[in-house]
Amino acid sequence: QVQLQESGPGLVKPSGTLSLTCAVSGGSMSNDNWWSWIRQPPGKGLEWIGQIYHTGTTNYNASLKSRVSISVDKSKKQFSLKLSSVTAADTAVYYCARVDSIGLLGWFDPWGQGNLVTVSS
Amino acid sequence: EIVMTQSPATLSVSPGERVTLSCRASQSISSKLAWYHQKPGQAPRLLIYGASTRATGIPARFSGSGSGTDFTLSISSLQSEDFAVYYCQQYNNWPLTFGGGTKVEIK
Repeated sequence: QVQLQESGPGLVKPSGTLSLTCAVSGGSMSNDNWWSWIRQPPGKGLEWIGQIYHTGTTNYNASLKSRVSISVDKSKKQFSLKLSSVTAADTAVYYCARVDSIGLLGWFDPWGQGNLVTVSS
Repeated sequence: EIVMTQSPATLSVSPGERVTLSCRASQSISSKLAWYHQKPGQAPRLLIYGASTRATGIPARFSGSGSGTDFTLSISSLQSEDFAVYYCQQYNNWPLTFGGGTKVEIK
């Protein structure tokens, strides 16, 4: 079964760029699935950031679109998130997840275990 | 953006009780709704998709219903492992959005 694992720095300076990678194991990235990033500020709810198809096609949350970039490397079976110009409001646990669906939009299953990123000087 | 509103924010219940959680969408989402639960320090786990279809491995005590704007997640007899925060999520429109969550705690 598919498993996801996030990796990346746990601390980013204000105005810097947050970079995370999600490794996919136990399955192919080239099936008919999208791959997504979701975040959760400490003690708060969930926010969808964006998603990518194995061809590189992306969809982003408009609230973050100007600062977000998601990319995929099928040969390494991983996809990545970059969030620029970060502030303390971007402090959150960042999850990667597979999008399960019949069409373009869907639900998330499975999820990675999460990577806490703190924005602080 | 479709706003998802969950109620109540917190529910205090005893093990063995039946629980009903509510999720309301700001506009119709057909049956394009998923439910998750999240235990402290863990990632959310999918329970229900398509408003009423249980995900693989989810016990039959979990059931979902509703369509349009009003949805319900029921747990027929609450087990100790069910104390968690429950989230709904719509996938009818961009951006994908979640409800604020309902915390189910031990009474």
